[in-house]
Amino acid sequence: ETGVTQTPRHLVMGMTNKKSLKCEQHLGHNAMYWYKQSAKKPLELMFVYSLEERVENNSVPSRFSPECPNSSHLFLHLHTLQPEDSALYLCASSFLATGGSSYNEQFFGPGTRLTVL
Amino acid sequence: AQKITQTQPGMFVQEKEAVTLDCTYDTSDPSYGLFWYKQPSSGEMIFLIYQGSYDQQNATEGRYSLNFQKARKSANLVISASQLGDSAMYFCAMREGRDDYKLSFGAGTTVTVRA
Repeated sequence: ETGVTQTPRHLVMGMTNKKSLKCEQHLGHNAMYWYKQSAKKPLELMFVYSLEERVENNSVPSRFSPECPNSSHLFLHLHTLQPEDSALYLCASSFLATGGSSYNEQFFGPGTRLTVL
Repeated sequence: AQKITQTQPGMFVQEKEAVTLDCTYDTSDPSYGLFWYKQPSSGEMIFLIYQGSYDQQNATEGRYSLNFQKARKSANLVISASQLGDSAMYFCAMREGRDDYKLSFGAGTTVTVRA
């Protein structure tokens, strides 16, 4: 496996279900991210983990719960979601940036297409 | 206020021709970086090109070049010799000095290359 992988690629769940999204990076990066991409909206940053510690949480509802057990793995636990949570969830990883003008691009996975019924 | 503005929701381009995608940005931080990503229908965001605020020359990467006009706060992407595989959504993004981890994305431009 190379790059950033995400499983599952597609997920359909009811509002009362509990599910988890998994992300794995094979690039030796030390920062990982969750983004939400809804139709006709810019990507929204949800969570950032740096060296396995959460450094950013953009007022995301508590029905989304991230977990970063090590620098290669990132999970997004989902429970009691709403239909408006249906979106493409993208995971990304990078080396820690050392300032706005540093290169350190983020590498993205293929995403999980989530549909909440 | 929106930090990244992409005013073209969709564009059509003939195969082998060049296309320019507009991006303007808003920041008061002197240290920032600008990124362009490509998102095909498969969903994965693919990094294309980067321009740092202190870079003296416009970035180029194969058929991609960035027309960086700092005074105008514009960072347009130019794709030369378009190919059918270039059909995708293109996003401009910015990282500012104070928020090392955060990328602000524009709404994107859909490019369709015609044979």
